[in-house]
Amino acid sequence: GENVEQHPSTLSVQEGDSAVIKCTYSDSASNYFPWYKQELGKRPQLIIDIRSNVGEKKDQRIAVTLNKTAKHFSLHITETQPEDSAVYFCAARATGGYNKLIFGAGTRLAVHP
Amino acid sequence: DGGITQSPKYLFRKEGQNVTLSCEQNLNHDAMYWYRQDPGQGLRLIYYSQIVNDFQKGDIAEGYSVSREKKESFPLTVTSAQKNPTAFYLCASSIRTGLDSPLHFGNGTRLTVT
Repeated sequence: GENVEQHPSTLSVQEGDSAVIKCTYSDSASNYFPWYKQELGKRPQLIIDIRSNVGEKKDQRIAVTLNKTAKHFSLHITETQPEDSAVYFCAARATGGYNKLIFGAGTRLAVHP
Repeated sequence: DGGITQSPKYLFRKEGQNVTLSCEQNLNHDAMYWYRQDPGQGLRLIYYSQIVNDFQKGDIAEGYSVSREKKESFPLTVTSAQKNPTAFYLCASSIRTGLDSPLHFGNGTRLTVT
């Protein structure tokens, strides 16, 4: 079955710096890769997603890149702000005909003023 | 205000007791899911339901049971057979399965079993 590995588990940056979180997946047939942000004590929320027919997608300070050959995808946050501090989860949709997402273990991002 | 409501927020039970976690959505979504969140392990799928009166086991279904009698409701029962029930439980829904529809999560229920 699908397996998703996420690195690093924790990431600490200074405000204004960039942050990059990387995920690898095992099932080459996976075709949908969302990223969720979970602030402390709150529900996970979708922040960006990418499909396998696209190599990169950007939304303001957030971008996701996908390398299908290497089976990895990354989240890039530029000009980080303290409110970006949260746990970020990547996910890959497993094949099988329904919306089953396999999540990475999460990255705790801390942005220091 | 549309969304997913999980109740209660905190739940305490004695070992050996079954407990049911509530999940209600008013988003008119067909698909609903239960995930378990443990520190350092991300979100793991317990059960999912694509339509009323149908549900399927996820990756860690042992010791859990669900029902889907109404489109809006997908309660999860943690039985005494679940060896490590203490965890944070998240319910989610999506418009439909089989599509790249985003998951909408509830606020979660933190279950502590002693």
